[in-house]
Amino acid sequence: DSGVTQTPKHLITATGQRVTLRCSPRSGDLSVYWYQQSLDQGLQFLIQYYNGEERAKGNILERFSAQQFPDLHSELNLSSLELGDSALYFCASSPTPTGANVLTFGAGSRLTVL
Amino acid sequence: GQNIDQPTEMTATEGAIVQINCTYQTSGFNGLFWYQQHAGEAPTFLSYNVLDGLEEKGRFSSFLSRSKGYSYLLLKELQMKDSASYLCAVRDRGYSSASKIIFGSGTRLSIRP
Repeated sequence: DSGVTQTPKHLITATGQRVTLRCSPRSGDLSVYWYQQSLDQGLQFLIQYYNGEERAKGNILERFSAQQFPDLHSELNLSSLELGDSALYFCASSPTPTGANVLTFGAGSRLTVL
Repeated sequence: GQNIDQPTEMTATEGAIVQINCTYQTSGFNGLFWYQQHAGEAPTFLSYNVLDGLEEKGRFSSFLSRSKGYSYLLLKELQMKDSASYLCAVRDRGYSSASKIIFGSGTRLSIRP
């Protein structure tokens, strides 16, 4: 157990729907990163939060949004889902916003869009 | 722009040594990570280089040359459990002094007996 908790582990939904993925960072970590990994692909950086504020943004679609709450957990919202959104979504946390520390990854949420 | 290149697949023999290369071009550079990822699992940290040179950690070593935009991961005494994807990642600059950690596509390493 890495200490980073992601729910749900698996999610199956239909095109056009909206889902929310949740992440609780490791105790003491203030920074949360979201990554998307499609089948046999690398990790695509989506967005980073630190202590509730957005700090860095990657190739995140406009249909996707995220936030980090005062208790430091984060949610990634995916709307108007398309088949191509099927992927593993990883959350990672670190103590600082600069990423100088190691990223600790959660087990991921596997999203299947039918 | 940002570009991280590493070979897609490699095969090596149990007990041997393998070197996985990574080249990068990023707008800023503040360190390079190597992660191991078994299929369907979360990536786990292997090494972090911020200065030029070789970092050794047991059977794994990682090398960095910032002037060449080049790193390699060296795995010695290969074991079957080393069959996994190896991800090279660069810490780039975001805004507000934050950093983006950008990953390459990964190298899938297969170990044969």
